[in-house]
Amino acid sequence: QKEVEQNSGPLSVPEGAIASLNCTYSDRVSQSFFWYRQYSGKSPELIMSIYSNGDKEDGRFTAQLNKASQYVSLLIRDSQPSDSATYLCAVGSSGDKLTFGTGTRLAVRP
Amino acid sequence: GAVVSQHPSWVICKSGTSVKIECRSLDFQATTMFWYRQFPKQSLMLMATSNEGSKATYEQGVEKDKFLINHASLTLSTLTVTSAHPEDSSFYICSARDGYNADTQYFGPGTRLTVL
Repeated sequence: QKEVEQNSGPLSVPEGAIASLNCTYSDRVSQSFFWYRQYSGKSPELIMSIYSNGDKEDGRFTAQLNKASQYVSLLIRDSQPSDSATYLCAVGSSGDKLTFGTGTRLAVRP
Repeated sequence: GAVVSQHPSWVICKSGTSVKIECRSLDFQATTMFWYRQFPKQSLMLMATSNEGSKATYEQGVEKDKFLINHASLTLSTLTVTSAHPEDSSFYICSARDGYNADTQYFGPGTRLTVL
């Protein structure tokens, strides 16, 4: 059974700091990796996708993928209180359904 | 781009009635849509995968006769909760897969169902 694991948190960081969110997955043939943000009472919103080993940057967000270690992370630079949300890691295998982690709750302290 | 809508955004119904929820991809064609359910403070739970023109694939433990899914076109999938009961009260969220980015799923805003 495919599994995606995340620390449930909460991860608390001060405003302006770097928030580091981590995710591990069990299926070695996974090919696509996603980070979604979900505010309380709302649906998930796609933040980043990554398909190759290494880093991918988009504004304040950087996704990092290491397929050998089966590890994907999301860094949020200059964290803002508005970044406070639950971050979901999702993993896919070419045309299959995504497997979601249970999410990490991030709290950014003003 | 990649906008998914859901209707209604919230619904309150009496126990025993049926409720239909629509999911539309507004600016892309979605051969596959997914239906999720989320209870308060819990993670997303995939209910079923909906493929255009064919029968939906339900996850283990999800009653296909209770949760009817129809995916009649490349932009529309519907979920009907039949004979709803209070325990069906939840946040129902659909997502649509963009055919050009094979695995990427875009979520609709969700439908909050309350069964009295």
